[in-house]
Amino acid sequence: GENVEQHPSTLSVQEGDSAVIKCTYSDSASNYFPWYKQELGKGPQLIIDIRSNVGEKKDQRIAVTLNKTAKHFSLHITETQPEDSAVYFCAASSNNNDMRFGAGTRLTVKP
Amino acid sequence: DVKVTQSSRYLVKRTGEKVFLECVQDMDHENMFWYRQDPGLGLRLIYFSYDVKMKEKGDIPEGYSVSREKKERFSLILESASTNQTSMYLCASIRSGQGKGYTFGSGTRLTVV
Repeated sequence: GENVEQHPSTLSVQEGDSAVIKCTYSDSASNYFPWYKQELGKGPQLIIDIRSNVGEKKDQRIAVTLNKTAKHFSLHITETQPEDSAVYFCAASSNNNDMRFGAGTRLTVKP
Repeated sequence: DVKVTQSSRYLVKRTGEKVFLECVQDMDHENMFWYRQDPGLGLRLIYFSYDVKMKEKGDIPEGYSVSREKKERFSLILESASTNQTSMYLCASIRSGQGKGYTFGSGTRLTVV
């Protein structure tokens, strides 16, 4: 089955700096790669996703890149703000019922 | 706004008790999931259901069972709770063929003493 690895497990940046979180996956059949943000006391919320027919996707300060050949994808947050502090999860799936998650990255943005 | 509601935010149960965790979604989604979340391990799939009365084992089903009698409700059952089942439990749902990320509930933090 699919195995998703996520790095780093913790990340601390100064406000205004960029943050990058990286994930690798094992199943070449995976074609959908969402990213979730989990704030304290809440469930994970989808913030951006990318499909295997696209190499990059952007939404304001957030972007995701995908390298299918190397089986890795990354989340980029620019101009970080304190409210970006949360746990971020990557995931990979080939259909709705087999989504596998990374172990999570705790991002802290210091004011 | 679409919602996945988990009935309890915090639960404390004794070892050996039978525990029910309830999840209700109001989006008419066919697929529902139960995950447990532990530090350093991320989200691990316990069980999922793609239709009423249907259930499939995930990666860590041991010690758990599920019930899906109605489309909107998916229950996770701990037949005899043990301390190693102390965890955060997350319910999620998605419409079949939607091809998007899951909608998660806020989670139930279960402590077994």
